Amino acid sequence: AQTVTQSQPEMSVQEAETVTLSCTYDTSESDYYLFWYKQPPSRQMILVIRQEAYKQQNATENRFSVNFQKAAKSFSLKISDSQLGDAAMYFCAARHNTDKLIFGTGTRLQVFP
Amino acid sequence: KAGVTQTPRYLIKTRGQQVTLSCSPISGHRSVSWYQQTPGQGLQFLFEYFSETQRNKGNFPGRFSGRQFSNSRSEMNVSTLELGDSALYLCASSLRGGSEETQYFGPGTRLLVL
Repeated sequence: AQTVTQSQPEMSVQEAETVTLSCTYDTSESDYYLFWYKQPPSRQMILVIRQEAYKQQNATENRFSVNFQKAAKSFSLKISDSQLGDAAMYFCAARHNTDKLIFGTGTRLQVFP
Repeated sequence: KAGVTQTPRYLIKTRGQQVTLSCSPISGHRSVSWYQQTPGQGLQFLFEYFSETQRNKGNFPGRFSGRQFSNSRSEMNVSTLELGDSALYLCASSLRGGSEETQYFGPGTRLLVL
């Protein structure tokens, strides 16, 4: 069974600085997808970025990028030029085939002006 | 396109009652998944429906059930409510439920059991 671990319950960053959120996962599958979702306070969860396990190139979406280390089963999210609107809960998630999406416990990110 | 909608948004019930939550996916999406979110347990998968069939099921007791209609709308039912069922229930939809697909989440239904 897949498991996803986020070891940082809370992180904080100053506006315009860079922060990295950690995520490790465990799976015996070779083909799977990894996701970072963002849940702002009292707002809907939205996808931040997605990584296909078969792709070696790290995914990037504007200020968000990942560091995908397949051998180490690590999938960290880097947020550059942090903005106040980035404050949210961030969930790392993994999925294989049409199996269920497995979420980590989340990291609460605070952004200070 | 309208997003995923969930009704009701808030609900207060007492122990022993039952509750039905509704989820309308994005138009054209045929896969609907349900999650329970609590501060202690985080996001836990309840079940997924695709084309009116339950495709995946999480580790929840039989008091939790769901169904999907031909228009892809989904309902989940919790019978004999317990205090521990208080949670935010999230529904998410995607086109076919493929592993590569983005899941689009609704705003959730916040259930309080007294």
